[in-house]
Amino acid sequence: GIQVEQSPPDLILQEGANSTLRCNFSDSVNNLQWFHQNPWGQLINLFYIPSGTKQNGRLSATTVATERYSLLYISSSQTTDSGVYFCAVDEKLTFGTGTRLTIIP
Amino acid sequence: EPEVTQTPSHQVTQMGQEVILRCVPISNHLYFYWYRQILGQKVEFLVSFYNNEISEKSEIFDDQFSVERPDGSNFTLKIRSTKLEDSAMYFCASSEDRGRGTEAFFGQGTRLTVV
Repeated sequence: GIQVEQSPPDLILQEGANSTLRCNFSDSVNNLQWFHQNPWGQLINLFYIPSGTKQNGRLSATTVATERYSLLYISSSQTTDSGVYFCAVDEKLTFGTGTRLTIIP
Repeated sequence: EPEVTQTPSHQVTQMGQEVILRCVPISNHLYFYWYRQILGQKVEFLVSFYNNEISEKSEIFDDQFSVERPDGSNFTLKIRSTKLEDSAMYFCASSEDRGRGTEAFFGQGTRLTVV
């Protein structure tokens, strides 16, 4: 099956810093979503982005489907951004291993 | 805004017992999914369901598991004879369609603890 790798596995930043999270996948995909898992375990939809670029406030995402990767950008980090960020690809949503982001006040 | 709802939010059960996890997908969605997340690990696909039948299942989804849409709104996951290793967060999800252009939405999860 398709392999999904995320990097870095852990990221600790000061409040206000910017970050880039990466998702690599091993085969072409029709679907790609980014999620934020908050400290209560809920999976929050961030972006549906099988290709192209989208922005939503301080967050933006870019998927280069031909090169099999996606990037999630978080600008001006806030403590509420802490949690685990997952990308998931393809029709049945194969999840990556996640990036744990910790924002320090 | 429409959302996927799951009940219960927490369930504790004794090893060997049967549990039923319940989900109400978004009303106009046609595809339904169950996923599992063992503590500290990634989210794993279990099964997808469309038109009252399983459309795909993972190797995790063995004879211990079953899914059902008992009425027009509920979608359930049954785990027979639970084992300690079934302890996990279980997520239900739904989507309008399948394939390109389709976004899936997740419920808040049911945390299952088998003791």
